[in-house]
Amino acid sequence: EDKVVQSPLSLVVHEGDTVTLNCSYEVTNFRSLLWYKQEKKAPTFLFMLTSSGIEKKSGRLSSILDKKELFSILNITATQTGDSAVYLCAAPNTGTASKLTFGTGTRLQVTL
Amino acid sequence: GAVVSQHPSWVICKSGTSVKIECRSLDFQATTMFWYRQFPKQSLMLMATSNEGSKATYEQGVEKDKFLINHASLTLSTLTVTSAHPEDSSFYICSARDVSGSADTQYFGPGTRLTVL
Repeated sequence: EDKVVQSPLSLVVHEGDTVTLNCSYEVTNFRSLLWYKQEKKAPTFLFMLTSSGIEKKSGRLSSILDKKELFSILNITATQTGDSAVYLCAAPNTGTASKLTFGTGTRLQVTL
Repeated sequence: GAVVSQHPSWVICKSGTSVKIECRSLDFQATTMFWYRQFPKQSLMLMATSNEGSKATYEQGVEKDKFLINHASLTLSTLTVTSAHPEDSSFYICSARDVSGSADTQYFGPGTRLTVL
């Protein structure tokens, strides 16, 4: 059975800090790993990772995948209060429908 | 990223009525869409997989006669909550699968908040 594990579960940091969120996975026939941000509404797409060692970047957010060690990290530099959210890591499963296997999410709170 | 829309954003209805929620992929074709529901402070719960041109596949415990899914085209899936009751009040979210290129990504709609009185 496919599995995605995120850590930490919850994190509180001060504005301006840098955070690293972790995601490990066990997926048969891996195709991609996805990161989402969920605030009060539906998840918004952040990154799709398919290749090891290639950093994806969007503003202060970046992510990288290690297919040998089966994990990914999401970095947020110079955090702002608007970064407060639940960050979800997910992988399409091996079935033809590609349902997503989600991690439990990391709840990030950025305080002033 | 690609855009998925949902309509309506929120709906309030009386108990016993039916409510239809639309999910559209705006700039890509999606042979597969997914319907989730989410209660406050809880994880997304997959309800069903919607396949264009065929019947939806429902997760265990989800009543297919209660939650009717129709995937009429490559860009539209609908979820109809039939004979809605207060316990159906929830946040319903769809996602659409994009398999263009070599990867496999899902984009979520903004969600529909359903309140049944």
